[in-house]
Amino acid sequence: QVQLQESGPGLVKPSETLSLICTVSGGSISSYYWSWIRQPPGKGLEWIGDIYNNRNTNYNPSLKSRVTISIDASRNQLSLKLTSVTAADTAVYYCARQEMQSMDVWGQGTTVTVSS
Amino acid sequence: QSVLTQPPSVSEAPRQRVTISCSGSRSNVGNNVVNWYQQFPRKAPKLLIYYDNLRPSGVSERFSGSKSGTSASLAISGLQSEDEADYYCAAWDDSLNGPVFGGGTKLTVL
Repeated sequence: QVQLQESGPGLVKPSETLSLICTVSGGSISSYYWSWIRQPPGKGLEWIGDIYNNRNTNYNPSLKSRVTISIDASRNQLSLKLTSVTAADTAVYYCARQEMQSMDVWGQGTTVTVSS
Repeated sequence: QSVLTQPPSVSEAPRQRVTISCSGSRSNVGNNVVNWYQQFPRKAPKLLIYYDNLRPSGVSERFSGSKSGTSASLAISGLQSEDEADYYCAAWDDSLNGPVFGGGTKLTVL
């Protein structure tokens, strides 16, 4: 059974870069699309972007200029980098596996707070 | 402001049936499949319904989905206290080339 685990700093300073890792266990990271999704406190879900086989990426236009998603297949990990963060980027960040336009497996999420 | 529109909250008594609506547009709900997610406080969302009306393995038959045009609905029958959660609809958006979500509906079982 595939499991996802996000990890990374819980606190990031404004204007710095948020970097998160999602480790995939129980299955290969290949042959699937993988997404990053975030949820600000008390708010709904926002898709950040996705990646397939470390070649094809799609990003939410609202974040595209600041986002990079990549895969390290040797480690079965995907990563998220979000530059020039502000308080508006404070959220729970989830990685999820995409299957037939749905997110069928989710990580538990990791909370990132942007504050000085 | 979410792309898909859901009521902020619904409530119903135990053992009754409740429906949650989700309204979108041609570029998302009207042209792509709708998925529903269930989220308990401080937990990750869980896929509840996919491809408009299919249930993943392990999801109770009390949950069902439907879609007509640019609107979709989630129905929960035989309400139980453990169904209290937030429910989100989602659909792929052709303009975004990614999924869009509703704002979420908080279900209260009275």
